[in-house]
Amino acid sequence: KAGVTQTPRYLIKTRGQQVTLSCSPISGHRSVSWYQQTPGQGLQFLFEYFSETQRNKGNFPGRFSGRQFSNSRSEMNVSTLELGDSALYLCASSLGAGPPNEQFFGPGTRLTVL
Amino acid sequence: GESVGLHLPTLSVQEGDNSIINCAYSNSASDYFIWYKQESGKGPQFIIDIRSNMDKRQGQRVTVLLNKTVKHLSLQIAATQPGDSAVYFCAEKGSGGSYIPTFGRGTSLIVHP
Repeated sequence: KAGVTQTPRYLIKTRGQQVTLSCSPISGHRSVSWYQQTPGQGLQFLFEYFSETQRNKGNFPGRFSGRQFSNSRSEMNVSTLELGDSALYLCASSLGAGPPNEQFFGPGTRLTVL
Repeated sequence: GESVGLHLPTLSVQEGDNSIINCAYSNSASDYFIWYKQESGKGPQFIIDIRSNMDKRQGQRVTVLLNKTVKHLSLQIAATQPGDSAVYFCAEKGSGGSYIPTFGRGTSLIVHP
């Protein structure tokens, strides 16, 4: 079956703009998590959604937000972009929320903020 | 490919050797641990997990060891192959229902044919 897909794969924005990233989970998966990966900070958890509800949120400013739709697809939005938001944004899906549900990651969206 | 980190610790081994990758975790209350593999240009891939009530778990060619006393996790890969070349990192998830994961910085494994 198809894996997790993320769109777009690459994105270039300028400071102050906002961006929306999309994630389509594996069919049947109801949990979607978002992560930010940078060379300096490594992989950091942003938030987790299950059945359209945010279950957990990482330590990121309110400029980072997300949502999940009834078909389990998810979007994350970053407003008022800063240079430091340049990163690889990864989405992962799982059947259920929390362990031991194995997460399957997408290839990521590479965001560059100029 | 995508760079997942600068100045990552690097482990270089010969094909066929056994590899041991180490990880120190921070939260003594963490009760679930995962090892991931990330190849260049791809998202992380689950390798193996272990709960805090275990100290060892084996998979296919991989073994995870957990030492809660010193908050240390290791991943052993038997008969390492060139296809094992990737960045490996551990993740810990806390208790209490939140299960917000915290990730290690990663180790770059290079397997020489």
